[in-house]
Amino acid sequence: QMQLVQSGPEVKKPGTSVKVSCRASGFTSPSFAVQWVRQARGQGLEWIGWIVVGSGNTVYAQKFQERVSISRDRSTSTVYMDLSSLRSEDTAIYYCAAGGIGGWNNYFDPWGQGTLVTVSS
Amino acid sequence: EIVLTQSPGTLSLSPGERATLSCRASQSVSNIYLAWYQQKPGQAPRLLIYGASSRATGIPDRFSGSGSGTDFTLTISRLEPEDFAVYYCQQYGSTPITFGQGTRLDIK
Repeated sequence: QMQLVQSGPEVKKPGTSVKVSCRASGFTSPSFAVQWVRQARGQGLEWIGWIVVGSGNTVYAQKFQERVSISRDRSTSTVYMDLSSLRSEDTAIYYCAAGGIGGWNNYFDPWGQGTLVTVSS
Repeated sequence: EIVLTQSPGTLSLSPGERATLSCRASQSVSNIYLAWYQQKPGQAPRLLIYGASSRATGIPDRFSGSGSGTDFTLTISRLEPEDFAVYYCQQYGSTPITFGQGTRLDIK
């Protein structure tokens, strides 16, 4: 059974960076992708990007292209989402989700439990 | 970018009633790469429907999806108390992957 477990809540100051982790288990293919999505309080879902765990290939939303880096540690099946130059508008719950084989044309299932990132001075 | 517009914003119904949720795309969604998710307070979204009409594993058959091109519908045939939540549509056929703004299904 596929499962994604994320790291705990973070509080960061504006201008700094945050790194959220997502540990995957129960996946049988090295080509599976992990997606990242965020949700501000009371708002909708916003796609950030994905990584193919086996190859390390990434695809990012243009909005985040210059500030985000998604990486992985194959030995621990852990994926990391690093967001820099944080501002108050980045305060949100960040979710990882399994994005199928290769990332392209795949729905998101299952999802991690979410990580609250708060940006405050 | 494909913009997804969901309607209505809020739907108030009673248990046992039928719910019809709409998702309209600003351009055709490739190969019916359209999904629906349910989200309850304090929880991550859960996949209900993919490929516009295929139910995800473990999803009750009272949930059904239909549509193609730019118009898609999620139908819940008879509402159960646990179905009151927020529902999002998503297109995953082109990047950026986009979500609708959500429909809140409230108990009347």
